[in-house]
Amino acid sequence: QVQLVESGGGVVQPGRSLRLSCTASGFTFSRYDMHWVRQAPGKGLEWVAVVSYDGSHEHYADSVKGRFTISRDNSKNMLYLQMNSLRAEDTAVYYCARGHEVGTTLHDGLDIWGQGTTVTVSS
Amino acid sequence: DIVMTQSPDSLAVSLGERATINCKSSQSVLYTSNNKNYLAWYQQKPGQPPKLLIYWASSRESGVPDRFSGSGSGTDFTLTISSLQAEDVAVYYCHQYYSSPPYTFGQGTKLEIK
Repeated sequence: QVQLVESGGGVVQPGRSLRLSCTASGFTFSRYDMHWVRQAPGKGLEWVAVVSYDGSHEHYADSVKGRFTISRDNSKNMLYLQMNSLRAEDTAVYYCARGHEVGTTLHDGLDIWGQGTTVTVSS
Repeated sequence: DIVMTQSPDSLAVSLGERATINCKSSQSVLYTSNNKNYLAWYQQKPGQPPKLLIYWASSRESGVPDRFSGSGSGTDFTLTISSLQAEDVAVYYCHQYYSSPPYTFGQGTKLEIK
């Protein structure tokens, strides 16, 4: 079935790095833009980053620009989020989500979400 | 950046009654070349990831009950649940994905049973 599974979360000290992964299955991964969205404890959703279907374009929220890097490996159906210089305010559940399918005008929105992986930044 | 503001922050509605959640964007999310509003609605229940309900402001996602509907254009949007069911208790978010990122969410509206 269509599925996204995140991994790589954990407890990390401020200033350190962490890489999240998202494994996609059940659909043609290389046809979709992919997003990371996070949710701090007890808070709302915050969009973090998007990478285009072919990896040629990336965009970031101002809060993570210059510290986080989104990437993908279409040969492995994998999405990544490299997080550097982590801060306490980066503590959150991180979700990967499927976005727009290239070439389609029939559907939109973030229609498939993983269960999330928890990142805790604390000394 | 486009700021999304939802109202109210929380809402209590009796079972079977109508629930209405509003979302206002700081600038238009209507793409005039295709006349589509790049606005989506999501439902999130405790301990679960968000679920897409509505995209393009009024297109219902496959499998979503028809008691959920979206309306509005430009900067003002509404999510309506025509007859509230117990399983609709959740937090609802609007989300704009217009033009260039960053794409932004509203702060969320918590819906409860009265």
